[in-house]
Amino acid sequence: GENVEQHPSTLSVQEGDSAVIKCTYSDSASNYFPWYKQELGKRPQLIIDIRSNVGEKKDQRIAVTLNKTAKHFSLHITETQPEDSAVYFCAASITGTASKLTFGTGTRLQVTL
Amino acid sequence: GAVVSQHPSRVICKSGTSVKIECRSLDFQATTMFWYRQFPKQSLMLMATSNEGSKATYEQGVEKDKFLINHASLTLSTLTVTSAHPEDSSFYICSASRLAGYTGELFFGEGSRLTVL
Repeated sequence: GENVEQHPSTLSVQEGDSAVIKCTYSDSASNYFPWYKQELGKRPQLIIDIRSNVGEKKDQRIAVTLNKTAKHFSLHITETQPEDSAVYFCAASITGTASKLTFGTGTRLQVTL
Repeated sequence: GAVVSQHPSRVICKSGTSVKIECRSLDFQATTMFWYRQFPKQSLMLMATSNEGSKATYEQGVEKDKFLINHASLTLSTLTVTSAHPEDSSFYICSASRLAGYTGELFFGEGSRLTVL
């Protein structure tokens, strides 16, 4: 089955700096890569996703890049704010097989003032 | 649109009792619902996949007789933790993919925190 690795496990940045979280996946058939933000005790919230036919996608301060050849995808958050502090999860799935998502191990992002 | 509601949000039970958690898609029909379990400071681990009207498919290592899943309609799936023990204490989250306008995106319920005493 799919295996998703995520790094780093914790990340501390100063407000205004950028944060980058990286993931790798094992199944070359995976074609959908969402990123979720989860606050303590809450449900995961989709913040951005990318499909395998696209190399990069941006939404305001958040961007995701995908390298299919290397099976890498990354989340980039620019101009970080304290409210960005949360746990972020990457995930991968093969659409068409009921979207069974495999999650990465998570990154705890702390944005300090 | 695409709201998934989960109930109860918190439940405390005694060891040996059974607990039922409901997952409803409020404004869409869900072809498939997924049940995840999340231990503190860990990732979401898929427990099982359920499709309306058929038996759930369980992930390796998940006991199907302990975690009973029923998917009676396109808007409701239930997870029953039978004979719960303290090690079953966890955050259980359901998710659903829509039947119409399928994109691959999953919609998550609020989660249910189970504490077994």
